[in-house]
Amino acid sequence: QQQVKQSPQSLIVQKGGISIINCAYENTAFDYFPWYQQFPGKGPALLIAIRPDVSEKKEGRFTISFNKSAKQFSLHIMDSQPGDSATYFCAASMWDDMRFGAGTRLTVKP
Amino acid sequence: AAGVIQSPRHLIKEKRETATLKCYPIPRHDTVYWYQQGPGQDPQFLISFYEKMQSDKGSIPDRFSAQQFSDYHSELNMSSLELGDSALYFCASSPQGYEQYFGPGTRLTVT
Repeated sequence: QQQVKQSPQSLIVQKGGISIINCAYENTAFDYFPWYQQFPGKGPALLIAIRPDVSEKKEGRFTISFNKSAKQFSLHIMDSQPGDSATYFCAASMWDDMRFGAGTRLTVKP
Repeated sequence: AAGVIQSPRHLIKEKRETATLKCYPIPRHDTVYWYQQGPGQDPQFLISFYEKMQSDKGSIPDRFSAQQFSDYHSELNMSSLELGDSALYFCASSPQGYEQYFGPGTRLTVT
């Protein structure tokens, strides 16, 4: 059973638009929430991460919003570009025990 | 910056053969993880090592074993290969937990 639920499964966005991917978790012991970006045939690359004492973290065009009470967090990609087309995985971790969401395949159309 | 190195990048084996995958973590990272990723799936945790000792075990088949050596590199040994073992195998390393940095992966094809 997936301990981290991720949606949507796939997402199509126009260039310049905002991509939003959502994740939810149950185990309140998780205390580190990273997002990974994966291109076909490549390893997942750590994109951005947040800890539960912060409600938002922004790095360039990528923002994580975190809602501790709802046990939800989301990734926002502003000004989405065709080069952002990839699969995105959210994850939740307790120290070295990391659980991944099922992934979202993002396609950004030119 | 140095990244995780995995070898080989591609491997083709026949059923019932043995395979050994190698992982060289980022320097000064003391924790290594192994994951298996099937097509269209998220990475599934297999096993991890901290300071050369097994620290956690996931859904790793009994036919698989792994170890971390004194130089911190790790090897995943897979025996009696089955068609279902065909997947991407990733190694990740971490500087004391939490942040995991993945290698480029080994694509294993079992025929």
